[in-house]
Amino acid sequence: TQLLEQSPQFLSIQEGENLTVYCNSSSVFSSLQWYRQEPGEGPVLLVTVVTGGEVKKLKRLTFQFGDARKDSSLHITAAQPGDTGLYLCAGEWQDRGSTLGRLYFGRGTQLTVWP
Amino acid sequence: GAVVSQHPSWVICKSGTSVKIECRSLDFQATTMFWYRQFPKQSLMLMATSNEGSKATYEQGVEKDKFLINHASLTLSTLTVTSAHPEDSSFYICSAREASGRWSEQYFGPGTRLTVT
Repeated sequence: TQLLEQSPQFLSIQEGENLTVYCNSSSVFSSLQWYRQEPGEGPVLLVTVVTGGEVKKLKRLTFQFGDARKDSSLHITAAQPGDTGLYLCAGEWQDRGSTLGRLYFGRGTQLTVWP
Repeated sequence: GAVVSQHPSWVICKSGTSVKIECRSLDFQATTMFWYRQFPKQSLMLMATSNEGSKATYEQGVEKDKFLINHASLTLSTLTVTSAHPEDSSFYICSAREASGRWSEQYFGPGTRLTVT
């Protein structure tokens, strides 16, 4: 079972359009990260949200962490072809009885922005 | 920012041979390194967590005798795929956590593309 449900899985839009990617879970996370990955490369961290209800902006990207810290969204305004890539959300969670924390990744959203 | 490198970036090997992949933290000390596997157009799946100087913790379903992990220093972890088979072909990515950082602040390497023929 997937701890983090990410949607949509694929998104194909025209340049200038807006879009939102969702990341949902029934579990509470200490924090949640959003990554962007280009083909053949490792993920690059975009943002970390920690506080319930937190909103962070990174140029045209707006990230929101749900009040209950179970869900998050990524909104891109006026998408550009350079935004094309795989967007991944990852929740920080510590297994019961474990001293090690880990990241749980969503399935990812493949975004394609056409010029 | 913190940089993590992987070597090689890609490798092709014959079925039955072993392949070693290195993960290095270049400008920080990493007490914990993570190894992930990623299939095309899919998300990252954690294979194991590696702590410097101790045995790696493997995720359920990952064969520890097949995927040997060594974390001998604070800047280097290695993943050896033993007796590789075509189904082991995948994109392997490591990440490293700073010794003094939040455990979730992981920095990812560029990945290693393994193709087993």
